[in-house]
Amino acid sequence: QQQVKQSPQSLIVQKGGISIINCAYENTAFDYFPWYQQFPGKGPALLIAIRPDVSEKKEGRFTISFNKSAKQFSLHIMDSQPGDSATYFCAASNRQSGANNLFFGTGTRLTVIP
Amino acid sequence: GAVVSQHPSWVICKSGTSVKIECRSLDFQATTMFWYRQFPKQSLMLMATSNEGSKATYEQGVEKDKFLINHASLTLSTLTVTSAHPEDSSFYICSAKQGIDEQFFGPGTRLTVL
Repeated sequence: QQQVKQSPQSLIVQKGGISIINCAYENTAFDYFPWYQQFPGKGPALLIAIRPDVSEKKEGRFTISFNKSAKQFSLHIMDSQPGDSATYFCAASNRQSGANNLFFGTGTRLTVIP
Repeated sequence: GAVVSQHPSWVICKSGTSVKIECRSLDFQATTMFWYRQFPKQSLMLMATSNEGSKATYEQGVEKDKFLINHASLTLSTLTVTSAHPEDSSFYICSAKQGIDEQFFGPGTRLTVL
């Protein structure tokens, strides 16, 4: 059972455009929602993360929007650049649980065309 | 962020041999390390969680006798793929964390079994 659902599977955006990736979860015990960026042949790197006590977090061109009641969160990449072309994974975890495992979405392959 | 290294970055071996992959936290003490497996264009699949000095906890469907995990110190965990077969070919990624803090991912190890 997929604990975190992610869409779209792939996304093509023009340079300068906005990339939007969406995720949804069911487990209300999740209290930490990170986004990871992964380039081919590399491990995932933490991009930005949010906790459920805030509805939005912005770091540079990257913004997470969080809707607790809908159990949804999304990543917005403003002014998308070709260097942003990568696979993006959302994830969720219950940091208070003993295991604190990350549950990953299925990934979105972003291509930013010049 | 903290740095996690993996060695080797890639390995090719013959069917039936065993392969050891090392995961090190370079600038922090990792109370917990995680091992993931990733097939091409797919998400990360958690294989096992290991705490220093104790036996690893394997996810359902992961053979513990096939994938031996040793977390001998607070900075080193190893994954040994025993009697490797072509179906074990994959990208193996470790991550490490201290307490309930962030998980930091290694760069991954590409295993190809001929």
